[in-house]
Amino acid sequence: DGGITQSPKYLFRKEGQNVTLSCEQNLNHDAMYWYRQDPGQGLRLIYYSQIVNDFQKGDIAEGYSVSREKKESFPLTVTSAQKNPTAFYLCASRRARWETQYFGPGTRLLVL
Amino acid sequence: SQELEQSPQSLIVQEGKNLTINCTSSKTLYGLYWYKQKYGEGLIFLMMLQKGGEEKSHEKITAKLDEKKQQSSLHITASQPSHAGIYLCGADTGAAGNKLTFGGGTRVLVKP
Repeated sequence: DGGITQSPKYLFRKEGQNVTLSCEQNLNHDAMYWYRQDPGQGLRLIYYSQIVNDFQKGDIAEGYSVSREKKESFPLTVTSAQKNPTAFYLCASRRARWETQYFGPGTRLLVL
Repeated sequence: SQELEQSPQSLIVQEGKNLTINCTSSKTLYGLYWYKQKYGEGLIFLMMLQKGGEEKSHEKITAKLDEKKQQSSLHITASQPSHAGIYLCGADTGAAGNKLTFGGGTRVLVKP
């Protein structure tokens, strides 16, 4: 089946620890996105990538980092500099501008 | 104010009744996307609108984009418990970059 997978479903972070969230797509989409969703709120864009080896900061990039070494993969690292990382993280992809953006199932990050 | 405003923020409707959600933009909408989300899950794509005056329907859900392309509405007829969830609108506003702006979401509860 074509789609977007995210792992893990739940992730626990200790103080001072970096953690990496995985996002993989087999839709052959060029663009990929990471969003953060806090309770009762909409989506805020963290980073996005329009092509391999290129990415741009979104509205809330501080404390996060990404890489795009392969077309199908766009991992997000939540660094220790992100002081309030508890949230629901959503990955999305899109074939081209003006087309539909599709979402993965999400990863919930909790701080121990 | 936010670039994309959704109203209401939440609503409770009796099963069998109709409901309407609005999405208003401060900029021209070049593409408007409606999604549904169940708690703790990813976003499911419902419909995309691009042309002023466009209207699309799927089962009991109808979405419209007004002629001036700055407002969209989502209408559910004869609501059912399966319609409960969070509805989000996302928009292409022509801003630089291949990215969407999202509204804050509308939480829908259907009372049996």
